[in-house]
Amino acid sequence: NAGVTQTPKFRVLKTGQSMTLLCAQDMNHEYMYWYRQDPGMGLRLIHYSVGEGTTAKGEVPDGYNVSRLKKQNFLLGLESAAPSQTSVYFCASRRTAPGYGYTFGSGTRLTVV
Amino acid sequence: EDKVVQSPLSLVVHEGDTVTLNCSYEVTNFRSLLWYKQEKKAPTFLFMLTSSGIEKKSGRLSSILDKKELFSILNITATQTGDSAVYLCALWGAGGTSYGKLTFGQGTILTVHP
Repeated sequence: NAGVTQTPKFRVLKTGQSMTLLCAQDMNHEYMYWYRQDPGMGLRLIHYSVGEGTTAKGEVPDGYNVSRLKKQNFLLGLESAAPSQTSVYFCASRRTAPGYGYTFGSGTRLTVV
Repeated sequence: EDKVVQSPLSLVVHEGDTVTLNCSYEVTNFRSLLWYKQEKKAPTFLFMLTSSGIEKKSGRLSSILDKKELFSILNITATQTGDSAVYLCALWGAGGTSYGKLTFGQGTILTVHP
């Protein structure tokens, strides 16, 4: 089925460890996004990309890096995980053309201890 | 910085009630305002509003955008327990530093009791 796939779905990290979250879409979408969701905070934009090879900072980019080497993949990296990065992470993508909504992945629940 | 504020933050009603959820924003240049419903996992799309004053409807749900007063509302009539969810409002930025960005409000938690 076409859509947005996030891996892994769950992960527990120790403080200071690094990891990469993968977002893959097979809809040929130009735009891709990484959000984090914390209780009472809605979804906050970490980084986004408007095309292959491009990335831009969102509202809460500190502590994260991203790469979009291939159009279908958008990677979110945590170089040195901190407990404040415990959250649920969502990836989303959309087409360039107006009138279309966003497609979300099913989320990654990350706990940093 | 684009700002989206939703109210109330939480709401508890009984089946059959009608609810109105509010979304106000401090962005003048945007393409669309979107509403999402989030149950246990990823948000699912409800409406996209681009023009002011035109109501969008889907079953018991309806939404309208007021670009002059900078707000949108989502109405749910004859609520059911299956409507219990977090409802999210988001703005799709138009240009400059907002180009391509989708900024969310903090969400309204709706609980519908039988």
